[in-house]
Amino acid sequence: GENVEQHPSTLSVQEGDSAVIKCTYSDSASNYFPWYKQELGKGPQLIIDIRSNVGEKKDQRIAVTLNKTAKHFSLHITETQPEDSAVYFCAATYANAGNMLTFGGGTRLMVKP
Amino acid sequence: SQTIHQWPATLVQPVGSPLSLECTVEGTSNPNLYWYRQAAGRGLQLLFYSVGIGQISSEVPQNLSASRPQDRQFILSSKKLLLSDSGFYLCAWKGAGGWQYFGPGTRLTVL
Repeated sequence: GENVEQHPSTLSVQEGDSAVIKCTYSDSASNYFPWYKQELGKGPQLIIDIRSNVGEKKDQRIAVTLNKTAKHFSLHITETQPEDSAVYFCAATYANAGNMLTFGGGTRLMVKP
Repeated sequence: SQTIHQWPATLVQPVGSPLSLECTVEGTSNPNLYWYRQAAGRGLQLLFYSVGIGQISSEVPQNLSASRPQDRQFILSSKKLLLSDSGFYLCAWKGAGGWQYFGPGTRLTVL
């Protein structure tokens, strides 16, 4: 089955700096990679996703990159703000087959004002 | 648009008592539904998933069970709670594109 590893487990940055969270996956058949943001006491919210037919996707201050050859994908947050502080989860699956999402262990991002 | 509800939002139960958590989805039909548990400061552990009414798959053997009595209703139950059942329980449904949408969660404390 799929295995997803996520690093770092905690990340502290100064407001305005960039933050990068990295994930690796094991199953080369995986073709869908979502990222979730979980604020304290709330359910995870989908913030961005990428499919294996593209290498990068951007949405305002967040972007995700995918390297299929190396089987890793990353979340980039630029110009971080205190409200970006949360736990971020990456996940991977072979979407067409209706498989389960496999989640990484999560990264706690702290943005210091 | 689709909406997912969970209740109760918080629950404090004594050890050995029963449990029933409910999840309902609006705005979609025949969704795949999931129950996850999240221990404090930890990742997401998939407990059960369902592809249709009466169809339940268990990912982890434990003190919990799940049922799907209606198309858009998913229930998590226990006959006797253990201390280790404490955690944040999340229900999710899966969209056509593969992504999962999570509910607001239920925080369960077993004392």
